[in-house]
Amino acid sequence: GAGVSQTPSNKVTEKGKYVELRCDPISGHTALYWYRQSLGQGPEFLIYFQGTGAADDSGLPNDRFFAVRPEGSVSTLKIQRTERGDSAVYLCASSLDRTQPQHFGDGTRLSIL
Amino acid sequence: DQQVKQNSPSLSVQEGRISILNCDYTNSMFDYFLWYKKYPAEGPTFLISISSIKDKNEDGRFTVFLNKSAKHLSLHIVPSQPGDSAVYFCAASGGTSGSRLTFGEGTQLTVNP
Repeated sequence: GAGVSQTPSNKVTEKGKYVELRCDPISGHTALYWYRQSLGQGPEFLIYFQGTGAADDSGLPNDRFFAVRPEGSVSTLKIQRTERGDSAVYLCASSLDRTQPQHFGDGTRLSIL
Repeated sequence: DQQVKQNSPSLSVQEGRISILNCDYTNSMFDYFLWYKKYPAEGPTFLISISSIKDKNEDGRFTVFLNKSAKHLSLHIVPSQPGDSAVYFCAASGGTSGSRLTFGEGTQLTVNP
């Protein structure tokens, strides 16, 4: 399809493990965002890419979280030494540029046991 | 601090009537506002947006009103349909937060046949 694609849709892993979450944005969208949504709350911003560079990473909660977008298209969110509090739905969004509405994928539901 | 607030966790209306969802914000630097609709297990879907230079924007059954002096926006859905039943999030961006979105907690709308 033509929308934002996120894989996997669900990820269950043990505390302390490393995880990678992938986002494939809408073709041609230069802006890419990661958000995290906990139950009963709205999405919370993590990081924003304009092209290949992270233009704003102020929402990353700590240095266990890292994201890359090496070719300006697909992005990977990486979480090291996972903790139970990292359990949430991780959402990716893309837009034509920073002035246009963001379009979201269906998210990755991450569960840390 | 919660810069965007949706004070009503839920709203129930009859099919064919008007649904009014409300949102308040505290950051006077926000200049772009959006409404998203979210079904379970799906990502937020963009509905409608408004720039701070306007006070109203209409798209089919959906109208967003912005009252900058009150730092308040609302989404009107007329007529409401059972398929409109979903969680609605308002979001804002601008100022020092740049293009990243700050979301409210969401309002669960139920449209009864």
